[in-house]
Amino acid sequence: GENVEQHPSTLSVQEGDSAVIKCTYSDSASNYFPWYKQELGKGPQLIIDIRSNVGEKKDQRIAVTLNKTAKHFSLHITETQPEDSAVYFCAASTDSWGKLQFGAGTQVVVTP
Amino acid sequence: NAGVTQTPKFRVLKTGQSMTLLCAQDMNHEYMYWYRQDPGMGLRLIHYSVGEGTTAKGEVPDGYNVSRLKKQNFLLGLESAAPSQTSVYFCASSSSGSPLHFGNGTRLTVT
Repeated sequence: GENVEQHPSTLSVQEGDSAVIKCTYSDSASNYFPWYKQELGKGPQLIIDIRSNVGEKKDQRIAVTLNKTAKHFSLHITETQPEDSAVYFCAASTDSWGKLQFGAGTQVVVTP
Repeated sequence: NAGVTQTPKFRVLKTGQSMTLLCAQDMNHEYMYWYRQDPGMGLRLIHYSVGEGTTAKGEVPDGYNVSRLKKQNFLLGLESAAPSQTSVYFCASSSSGSPLHFGNGTRLTVT
């Protein structure tokens, strides 16, 4: 089955700097790659997603890139703010609707 | 519009006890899921349902049962709780082609 690896496990950045989280996946049939943000005591919330027919997607300060050949995708957060501090999860799916395989998560800490 | 609601929020069980976690969604989603979250392991799929009356096993189904008698509800049961089932449980729902919406979780401790 699908295996998703996520790095780094923790990331500390200064406010205003950029943060990058990388994930690799094993199943070449995977075609949907969402990113979730989880704040303390809450459930994960989708922040951005990308499908396999697209190489890059942006939404304000957040962008995701996908390299299908290398089977990896990355989350980029620019101009980080303290409210970006959270755990971020990448995921992959061979369905577009839902059986997601998650990475282990990255704890991001943005220091003022 | 509440989204996905999980009850209870916290529960402590003794080994061998049983319990049911309830998930309710008000978005008319066809698909519902139960995941468990453990430190350093991300979220792992326990069971899922593609419609009322249907259920299927996910990655880690052993020790759990589920039922989807109504479209809006998805129940997760533990018949004989074990310490290895200490975890945070998340329910999620989605429609075809739409992302998953998660509840805020149930923290379960089995002593």
